[in-house]
Amino acid sequence: AQKITQTQPGMFVQEKEAVTLDCTYDTSDPSYGLFWYKQPSSGEMIFLIYQGSYDQQNATEGRYSLNFQKARKSANLVISASQLGDSAMYFCAMREAGYYGNNRLAFGKGNQVVVIP
Amino acid sequence: EAQVTQNPRYLITVTGKKLTVTCSQNMNHEYMSWYRQDPGLGLRQIYYSMNVEVTDKGDVPEGYKVSRKEKRNFPLILESPSPNQTSLYFCASSPIDRGEQYFGPGTRLTVT
Repeated sequence: AQKITQTQPGMFVQEKEAVTLDCTYDTSDPSYGLFWYKQPSSGEMIFLIYQGSYDQQNATEGRYSLNFQKARKSANLVISASQLGDSAMYFCAMREAGYYGNNRLAFGKGNQVVVIP
Repeated sequence: EAQVTQNPRYLITVTGKKLTVTCSQNMNHEYMSWYRQDPGLGLRQIYYSMNVEVTDKGDVPEGYKVSRKEKRNFPLILESPSPNQTSLYFCASSPIDRGEQYFGPGTRLTVT
């Protein structure tokens, strides 16, 4: 079963606008972590933001914020004030605590974002 | 600078020729892992290690070997590469008690 679902088609975003990337997840583990990574065309995976399942507040890191809706199993990434350098593939990932020490991340298929001037 | 390094970054090889992709981290992380990324399949875990001399299979271990003799290094070995192992490979590390993984720059492998 797919653990992480990212279904949006590629998105074009105007520079300086905000963009929301959808992510839903599936787990029966009460303790888990949610992550967003950015992969620019150069290929590296860049960590953006983390949300723990017990965190009461939504995570924020600079222009990135995570809209965490636990009951809906949703962890959407919001990028405010888009910049040209934000053009990339964005991956949502989840770590479940029940993997006995394996910090394995289950990744979604990604969302492609292109920022246009 | 805290980082995960991988070498080589690009490799073209032929079927059956043994190769090793090195991975090294300078953050004293206990946990290290290898993933492969393929179009339409996303990232999948190959092997992981929870500490020195402790390794285990991930989701797609067939055709790969690993070793963890030192905490900082976690090489990926392809004893007899085949074309279906053509992929983008990532090494990652994290503290054992946190899931936030730091990725290396990736190794693009082509097996002909």
